Amino acid sequence: EAGVTQSPTHLIKTRGQQATLRCSPISGHTSVYWYQQALGLGLQFLLWYDEGEERNRGNFPPRFSGRQFPNYSSELNVNALELEDSALYLCASTLRSGNTIYFGEGSWLTVV
Amino acid sequence: AQSVTQLDSQVPVFEEAPVELRCNYSSSVSVYLFWYVQYPNQGLQLLLKYLSGSTLVKGINGFEAEFNKSQTSFHLRKPSVHISDTAEYFCAVSVPRFGNEKLTFGTGTRLTIIP
Repeated sequence: EAGVTQSPTHLIKTRGQQATLRCSPISGHTSVYWYQQALGLGLQFLLWYDEGEERNRGNFPPRFSGRQFPNYSSELNVNALELEDSALYLCASTLRSGNTIYFGEGSWLTVV
Repeated sequence: AQSVTQLDSQVPVFEEAPVELRCNYSSSVSVYLFWYVQYPNQGLQLLLKYLSGSTLVKGINGFEAEFNKSQTSFHLRKPSVHISDTAEYFCAVSVPRFGNEKLTFGTGTRLTIIP
């Protein structure tokens, strides 16, 4: 059974541009989470989607947004990129009301 | 609010020696506890979890952890480490009634195995 898959693996963007990251959850999982792992800042919760709705978001500006599609896959959009947005973006999924989340391999975003 | 403290940012250990990675949490309510491992340039992999029941939890790759409610700790142990255990280890806590969006991570412990 496939795990959480993310694309692209690496992405290089220029400051001010937009980045789009994609995530496919484990089959049967309806909840998708996004985390940012920036150097020196640890793992920070970004967004939670369940059944197509945004359920919660962490302490990030509105230029971080996303959506969940009917097949439960998700994308994360980061607008007006700043150098500080350079990080590993991790997607995770779980069953609805599940107690354990499973992570993907992450997408490395570099802003230059 | 919950918090997690991983007391050691880096732990060097000789190959085949035992290791303990420390994790303490703070919460006014019951919690779920997790250990994740992150190998170089990879995502997070679940090592083990404590939800309820037996306080000694066994995970993958020979790791185990013990939940100690009185000391609010969830230390990770392995009796004999291998080179392949070199990775960053994260302790995390969630509150059952709030769900996984409230999964709070510690700052991580980098385990380095010395040949």
